[in-house]
Order: sequence, then C-alpha cells, then structure tokens
Amino acid sequence: EVQLLESGGGLVQPGGSLRLSCAASGFTVNSDGMSWIRQAPGKWLEWVSGIGASDGRTYYADSVKGRFTISRDNSKNTLYLEMNSLRDEDTAVYYCARDQGWEHASWGQGTLVTVSS
Amino acid sequence: EIVLTQSPGTLSLSPGDRATLSCRASQSVTNNFLAWYQQKPGQAPRLLIYDASTRATGIPDRFSGSGSGTDFTLTISRLEPDDFAVYYCQQCAFSPRTFGQGTKVEIK
Repeated sequence: EVQLLESGGGLVQPGGSLRLSCAASGFTVNSDGMSWIRQAPGKWLEWVSGIGASDGRTYYADSVKGRFTISRDNSKNTLYLEMNSLRDEDTAVYYCARDQGWEHASWGQGTLVTVSS
Repeated sequence: EIVLTQSPGTLSLSPGDRATLSCRASQSVTNNFLAWYQQKPGQAPRLLIYDASTRATGIPDRFSGSGSGTDFTLTISRLEPDDFAVYYCQQCAFSPRTFGQGTKVEIK
C-alpha cells in the first residue's frame, strides 16, 4: 500500500527557512515523479514543485522559483522541499504526492506551514 | 501559464441528482491531460479522473469525465451522500500544472 507522510511544518518568521520531508512507503521515490502541492487557508490548490522519475528534472511554480528546492534521497525513500526566504503568502498546508504520469495519484495528509511574525 | 476556470462556484443538489461541473482552460490542453480531484473538509484531495476521461483506480462508475481542447466536464450521474465535496480540475500538459478554483457540491 502506498503511503506518504509529511513532516517539518511549523511556525516561521518572514524571511526564514524550513525543510519539509515526505517519507514514502509502498514504492520508491525515484520510480515515479513526485510533487508538492499547497493550499492556503480557505483557498484552492496550488501546484508548487515537481521532480521527474527517470531524469530527476525539477519544475517550479513562478511564485517559488529561486526560493524553494525539491529533492529526494533514495536511500531514505524520502522527498524534500527546502523553503527559503519565506513570505506571508507561503502560509499553507503542504501536500506531497506521487505522480502517475503527470497527475497526482496518491497524496499525503499534509503539513501546515505558517509564516508570521 | 494556463488558467482554468471552473463553474459554477457552488452547486446545490440533492442525493440522487445528476451533477455537471465545468472546467474551461485559457488555451488548449495538449493530449487532454486534464485531471479531476475530490476534496472533503480536512482531507487531502483524491484523484478521480485523468486524461480527461479515465477513471482512477477504485473510482465508482457514477463519476465520468469528458471534453477536449479547452472545455471539460465532470459528471456525477447520481449523487450519493459521500459525494458532497469540493472538486478541482488540473491541467497536466504544461508546467506549471495549474488547478482551477474549485466547485463546491453542497446538499440542497
């Protein structure tokens, strides 16, 4: 059974940094594409970043390009999102997802990131 | 980036009714790489439909997707109590993979 478990969320001041983790089980993180999607309170979904399965190519939304970095550790079977220069508008629940093709077939339960002074 | 516009914003229906949700793209979605998700309060989204019309694993056949190019539709043939939720479309043809703003299906 595929399971995804996010961690690393919390309260951070504007300009600060956080690293989110997504521990995977039931599959290997380098066998499929993976993505991060976020949802601000009361708002709709926003795709944030993705990493390709075979080539490891990375993709970013314009809103986070240059500030966020997606990566994976195959030995730990874990996906990461390194977030720097955080802004108020980055406040959201962050979900990791396993991609089937380009759509998000399996989702974690999410981790809340709050950017506030 | 491709902008997806979902309509209506809210759909008020009764169990047993047919629900028709629309998703319109600002430009053609190549290969009809359009997905639909269901999200209930406090839960992660769930993939329902991909490639515009293919049901994901375990999705009941009362859910169907159709459309091509810029106009797509999610149809729920007979609403069950468990179907009242928010539904999002997403285009997966171009980066960034944008979502629509959602349609809430609520109990009338």
